[in-house]
Amino acid sequence: GDSVTQMEGPVTLSEEAFLTINCTYTATGYPSLFWYVQYPGEGLQLLLKATKADDKGSNKGFEATYRKETTSFHLEKGSVQVSDSAVYFCALSDVGNTGKLIFGQGTTLQVKP
Amino acid sequence: NAGVTQTPKFQVLKTGQSMTLQCAQDMNHEYMSWYRQDPGMGLRLIHYSVGAGITDQGEVPNGYNVSRSTTEDFPLRLLSAAPSQTSVYFCASSPTYQMNTEAFFGQGTRLTVV
Repeated sequence: GDSVTQMEGPVTLSEEAFLTINCTYTATGYPSLFWYVQYPGEGLQLLLKATKADDKGSNKGFEATYRKETTSFHLEKGSVQVSDSAVYFCALSDVGNTGKLIFGQGTTLQVKP
Repeated sequence: NAGVTQTPKFQVLKTGQSMTLQCAQDMNHEYMSWYRQDPGMGLRLIHYSVGAGITDQGEVPNGYNVSRSTTEDFPLRLLSAAPSQTSVYFCASSPTYQMNTEAFFGQGTRLTVV
């Protein structure tokens, strides 16, 4: 079945450091890909998405490119802030248009001043 | 602008008790779903609904029931709580069930079964 694998956390960075969180997926067909972020004590919210190969999603300085050849959707940010501390989830949508989302296990990011 | 509202935020149950987790959305979204979040496992789909009167099972449906009598509400019922159901539960809604649609999440219900 479809699945998403994220790099293990937690990831601890100093402010202004470069961030990469790796995400790879297994899917039949061509799903849409998402990054959701969960701030402490809150629900998940969409950070960015890409709906087809070579699309780049971007938001709040974060970027991710849909790479079909490597089945990857790595999240990057050039300069992290303390306010970026959160749990990040990579997800894919079921290609059968059932509305289902399949999530990775989540990566905790802690940014220190 | 309430979005997706879940109640309660915290709950402690004894093994064997039943309860209902409430979920309501005010965005007229067609699609609603319930997930559980467990450490190291991400979110797993419990049940979902593509519209009023239509529900279906997700990845981990055992021990849970749902109904969708209105577009706005999608309650999740635990029939006989077990310690394995200790988790954080999230309700989500989307405008449609199309694969590129953003999901909107509630703030979650943290359930402990003792």
